Amino acid sequence: NAGVTQTPKFQVLKTGQSMTLQCAQDMNHEYMSWYRQDPGMGLRLIHYSVGAGITDQGEVPNGYNVSRSTTEDFPLRLLSAAPSQTSVYFCASRGIGGGNTGELFFGEGSRLTVL
Amino acid sequence: TQLLEQSPQFLSIQEGENLTVYCNSSSVFSSLQWYRQEPGEGPVLLVTVVTGGEVKKLKRLTFQFGDARKDSSLHITAAQPGDTGLYLCAGARRSSNTGKLIFGQGTTLQVKP
Repeated sequence: NAGVTQTPKFQVLKTGQSMTLQCAQDMNHEYMSWYRQDPGMGLRLIHYSVGAGITDQGEVPNGYNVSRSTTEDFPLRLLSAAPSQTSVYFCASRGIGGGNTGELFFGEGSRLTVL
Repeated sequence: TQLLEQSPQFLSIQEGENLTVYCNSSSVFSSLQWYRQEPGEGPVLLVTVVTGGEVKKLKRLTFQFGDARKDSSLHITAAQPGDTGLYLCAGARRSSNTGKLIFGQGTTLQVKP
């Protein structure tokens, strides 16, 4: 079972460069989301989606774009990387048929360093 | 400002001790979850609580949801080195089917043999 797959696992960027973090899930989950994790800050929600063609902002959306063209894929784009975006990024998905009680399944994370 | 405040943020104890981690908010949540994360991995769900006052047990772990559904606690009895990890609470603020979850800042637990 693949679950949630994130790529790349590690990436180093220079300030101003752009890149896309890929996320794919094979569980037919409606809900997909991106979080960033920084020391002492827990997981902060960047963007989320409740289905193809539907996206919304989370707590810290600035500097990031998302799109949801299929149920399976939810890429996160950094438009012009900044050192403040150095973090570990997690993609997560869950089914929402049962309301807000379903398990959130996480990928293994993508560690991004911006120099 | 963190919507969900966890305390303590760091806990280092000896094997066999008991501990409690708290997750507090001024907001009401329709459900609250606890996750555990090990280094280099994504968080994994431990439990979901839905009803105010609900208590759930998972072996040596006891989870409680506050009566007003604004807070929760995780109690570990006789901690083991294998309990070491980052514990995160996460809440869903509305009962609508957006699936949006907000996390606390986490509690790092270290259990020494």
